[in-house]
Amino acid sequence: GAVVSQHPSRVICKSGTSVKIECRSLDFQATTMFWYRQFPKQSLMLMATSNEGSKATYEQGVEKDKFLINHASLTLSTLTVTSAHPEDSSFYICSAHGPGHRARTEAFFGQGTRLTVV
Amino acid sequence: DAKTTQPPSMDCAEGRAANLPCNHSTISGNEYVYWYRQIHSQGPQYIIHGLKNNETNEMASLIITEDRKSSTLILPHATLRDTAVYYCIVRVTSGGSNYKLTFGKGTLLTVNP
Repeated sequence: GAVVSQHPSRVICKSGTSVKIECRSLDFQATTMFWYRQFPKQSLMLMATSNEGSKATYEQGVEKDKFLINHASLTLSTLTVTSAHPEDSSFYICSAHGPGHRARTEAFFGQGTRLTVV
Repeated sequence: DAKTTQPPSMDCAEGRAANLPCNHSTISGNEYVYWYRQIHSQGPQYIIHGLKNNETNEMASLIITEDRKSSTLILPHATLRDTAVYYCIVRVTSGGSNYKLTFGKGTLLTVNP
């Protein structure tokens, strides 16, 4: 099946610094990518939708200036958590979709990034 | 997207069939039923999806009732590695933002030795 790679898998950063998370579709062109956040013992919550070459659409309550999303190519989207605080500590997951048959009907997810802000 | 209801947890003995139910009584005619699972600290994994006919693949079978108001995911021979949270989601499959998935709380399936 289609492969989505997320990097890094784990990151620890100091409060006030910024962290960039990458999401790559390795074997298909991802025209749309989604970013989710998951707190312990909770379900995935959608943060934003990004379409290649255009601005991301953020869900209600998600600060677009804090969570910067760039989808500059058909294989790469990045999420930057700016001025991170301990409450931003979470599991961040991306999913990618594209025009291919399976990628059009199924969601392919990255392995997730565990962010810990200290 | 239509809301789904799943039991919070289920147990299954290793080697037995695991039958996970999902209610989606407000599903629309153009919405599919999707199943994903999430093993602890990993990204979700696609399992199967269907519209109204029963579906089977190498991972599981999906049984959808005739009125489409509920479905059952069947893992025919559960293994310890099938322990995960299973999410039932209904949505259309057209492009753009309709790819968006709304995750509920899912069912934690624990396969016991």
